[in-house]
Amino acid sequence: QKEVEQDPGPLSVPEGAIVSLNCTYSNSAFQYFMWYRQYSRKGPELLMYTYSSGNKEDGRFTAQVDKSSKYISLFIRDSQPSDSATYLCAMSATGNQFYFGTGTSLTVIP
Amino acid sequence: ETGVTQTPRHLVMGMTNKKSLKCEQHLGHNAMYWYKQSAKKPLELMFVYNFKEQTENNSVPSRFSPECPNSSHLFLHLHTLQPEDSALYLCASSQAEGVSQPQHFGDGTRLSIL
Repeated sequence: QKEVEQDPGPLSVPEGAIVSLNCTYSNSAFQYFMWYRQYSRKGPELLMYTYSSGNKEDGRFTAQVDKSSKYISLFIRDSQPSDSATYLCAMSATGNQFYFGTGTSLTVIP
Repeated sequence: ETGVTQTPRHLVMGMTNKKSLKCEQHLGHNAMYWYKQSAKKPLELMFVYNFKEQTENNSVPSRFSPECPNSSHLFLHLHTLQPEDSALYLCASSQAEGVSQPQHFGDGTRLSIL
């Protein structure tokens, strides 16, 4: 079983839609959760960083963590064509090891 | 200068060549990382350096040799690579080793092995 599971998509939505991106994980020790956005030919860019369970909001982005279900989500409101990218989830328990999902490819159609 | 800079951006090399990838961070961080990113696979952690000392070698073949002369610079020396080593190699840095600090990535070196 993979440490982190992420649907690779691709996901295609019209501009203005609400996007939901999700990851599940198997290690109950994970307590740090991150979402990265990666544009084509660029490196991953940190979007959201959360600790333990709960919600965190930053502009149009909301990150949710449900540790009881081992499930994390990233919501994008009022999606824009500039949101078209691959979104990576990452998580860690302690130490140096970060576990990444394979990424979900998102296209927002104008 | 942007946060984490990697050079070259693209590299094509034969299996018998020797080349090096360079990473420089301008964030004042003390930990630096090498990752391999292949299509449809999660990022694979290769090496971790904390305050110039290697703290993680994730069972990486010896044809990959890292070097960290100071906290701002990280190199990945390559020799006698295999076709399956073709991938995007990403460098990252963080304030210090440990999960309470998120990692910041460079744009990577796209490596192609002929």
